[in-house]
Amino acid sequence: GQNIDQPTEMTATEGAIVQINCTYQTSGFNGLFWYQQHAGEAPTFLSYNVLDGLEEKGRFSSFLSRSKGYSYLLLKELQMKDSASYLCAVNDGATNKLIFGTGTLLAVQP
Amino acid sequence: SQTIHQWPATLVQPVGSPLSLECTVEGTSNPNLYWYRQAAGRGLQLLFYSVGIGQISSEVPQNLSASRPQDRQFILSSKKLLLSDSGFYLCAWSVSGGPNGYTFGSGTRLTVV
Repeated sequence: GQNIDQPTEMTATEGAIVQINCTYQTSGFNGLFWYQQHAGEAPTFLSYNVLDGLEEKGRFSSFLSRSKGYSYLLLKELQMKDSASYLCAVNDGATNKLIFGTGTLLAVQP
Repeated sequence: SQTIHQWPATLVQPVGSPLSLECTVEGTSNPNLYWYRQAAGRGLQLLFYSVGIGQISSEVPQNLSASRPQDRQFILSSKKLLLSDSGFYLCAWSVSGGPNGYTFGSGTRLTVV
């Protein structure tokens, strides 16, 4: 079956660093995505990993270990506007379906 | 440039009424198209996906159906809405599923009363 797990909620302080973990078990794999979603809005693309290692894009970095079925999203220099849900999603490879986890609601406090 | 249009933005419908949500894509051909539903405080659940005209795959048994009458048009329908059909519906498209990822429409907030 398909299973993607993330923590439900996290809280962090403005200016700090936070790491959001994601573990997955899927029938196939053709890349892992991280999306940001503010309440009532559509998800917006943050990062994509298909090979093991770290991808860095400004304040956001994402890591993938395919052998462990594990990824994390690292957010640095947190800002209040980073308060949102962060969704981990896996391309199942066979039909390019994007399977989502339940999302992590991040609250950034002053 | 590629764009995706989804409408309406919000919809309030009585139980037992029909539903039709439309999604159209511009600037690309033969995209993979997807319908997702998001319940309050939850992740996105894949409802249907389509790899071509008239080709629809259903992911979960439900009260909804989907159709793709044209290459860049994807429609979500119901003959009789249930209260449990309430949610945030998102249409998305992709070409290769790779680093260009998936592009989402702006979503439709459906409330069944």
